[in-house]
Amino acid sequence: KAGVTQTPRYLIKTRGQQVTLSCSPISGHRSVSWYQQTPGQGLQFLFEYFSETQRNKGNFPGRFSGRQFSNSRSEMNVSTLELGDSALYLCASSHTLAGGGYEQYFGPGTRLTVT
Amino acid sequence: DAKTTQPNSMESNEEEPVHLPCNHSTISGTDYIHWYRQLPSQGPEYVIHGLTSNVNNRMASLAIAEDRKSSTLILHRATLRDAAVYYCIHNQGGKLIFGQGTELSVKP
Repeated sequence: KAGVTQTPRYLIKTRGQQVTLSCSPISGHRSVSWYQQTPGQGLQFLFEYFSETQRNKGNFPGRFSGRQFSNSRSEMNVSTLELGDSALYLCASSHTLAGGGYEQYFGPGTRLTVT
Repeated sequence: DAKTTQPNSMESNEEEPVHLPCNHSTISGTDYIHWYRQLPSQGPEYVIHGLTSNVNNRMASLAIAEDRKSSTLILHRATLRDAAVYYCIHNQGGKLIFGQGTELSVKP
């Protein structure tokens, strides 16, 4: 099976612009989660989508939004970019494990730099 | 959100066992305990998970305290490729809450 893919891998934007990142999950996985990773804050959960519905949400401002399509592919959008939004954005797809729990498969991430 | 507490860093010698501790005193009764690791320039990678009983898989073992307030990830024979940041995580219904993790270095 192909792994989780994220596009683009690298992106440079200017303050005030908006950006859209894309994630294609592993075939058959219906849950997609997004995380932000920075040196100062570490890995922080943004949101999770399941069957085109947002199922969980982290503590990020409304400038961060996402959506999921019927083929489980997901996009996240950040509007009015700030310098502090510079980070590695990771997408993970998951399936429920036998006996309970989840195993999330992470993509390589999109490195966003805001100047 | 529930948080986990881990040592910032640990060192191990190659071919020796490594015990990585984690405190999760605020864990609820239904939260699974997951361990992930992140190698340099890669996304996190699933290692193991459990609820109440000790668990083994091809990568590691997970020992969970009886009161579930702590757990230990055991790498039975560390290799240089095990050098990574190891995260102990609550799985709150699919929402992974990462702590700062333990940076494991392995000496040849």
